[in-house]
Amino acid sequence: DAGVIQSPRHEVTEMGQEVTLRCKPISGHDYLFWYRQTMMRGLELLIYFNNNVPIDDSGMPEDRFSAKMPNASFSTLKIQPSEPRDSAVYFCASSLLGQGYNEQFFGPGTRLTVL
Amino acid sequence: SQQGEEDPQALSIQEGENATMNCSYKTSINNLQWYRQNSGRGLVHLILIRSNEREKHSGRLRVTLDTSKKSSSLLITASRAADTASYFCATFYNTDKLIFGTGTRLQVFP
Repeated sequence: DAGVIQSPRHEVTEMGQEVTLRCKPISGHDYLFWYRQTMMRGLELLIYFNNNVPIDDSGMPEDRFSAKMPNASFSTLKIQPSEPRDSAVYFCASSLLGQGYNEQFFGPGTRLTVL
Repeated sequence: SQQGEEDPQALSIQEGENATMNCSYKTSINNLQWYRQNSGRGLVHLILIRSNEREKHSGRLRVTLDTSKKSSSLLITASRAADTASYFCATFYNTDKLIFGTGTRLQVFP
């Protein structure tokens, strides 16, 4: 298996633009997570899905952020409009079962810079 | 707020030495996990220890858990330059969310 795949790896955009991050989880994993990592706040869970259904989006910072999982092999995280404070590394991770009992597999991340 | 707090925040050692990192947490847990993150990469799972376990080994890694003190330690023996990375503990309790700590940055000099 190729592992969790994220695209793009790097994204540079201007304030106000729409940004879409993409993730392909490991086949057969029922859970998908979106995290954001910054120096100031560390690793934060934004939202997670179970069987394509959003379970907890309490970590999504604002209405500017939205996430979808239209099928078991694809998820997107969208920021519209983007702001400089959204600059961070965004990780997607997947796990086979409830995350407490299984390891999470992380993608390589998308480094987002909003100018 | 984050569940786990790692100590020290940064650690520098020579190759061949042992590295010990500590994690303290605030509430009950079902299990605790350790992850490694190399610069510019995603996190990689190292080891999971359940609340009813006290010690676990994996290769050069040894993890201990003291639920009475709400703390865990990660020991890397005979460290190598390739062990240079950030190490995070993560706790799980009765939800589907893992809560990650702040991490320890380990630098191993050849």
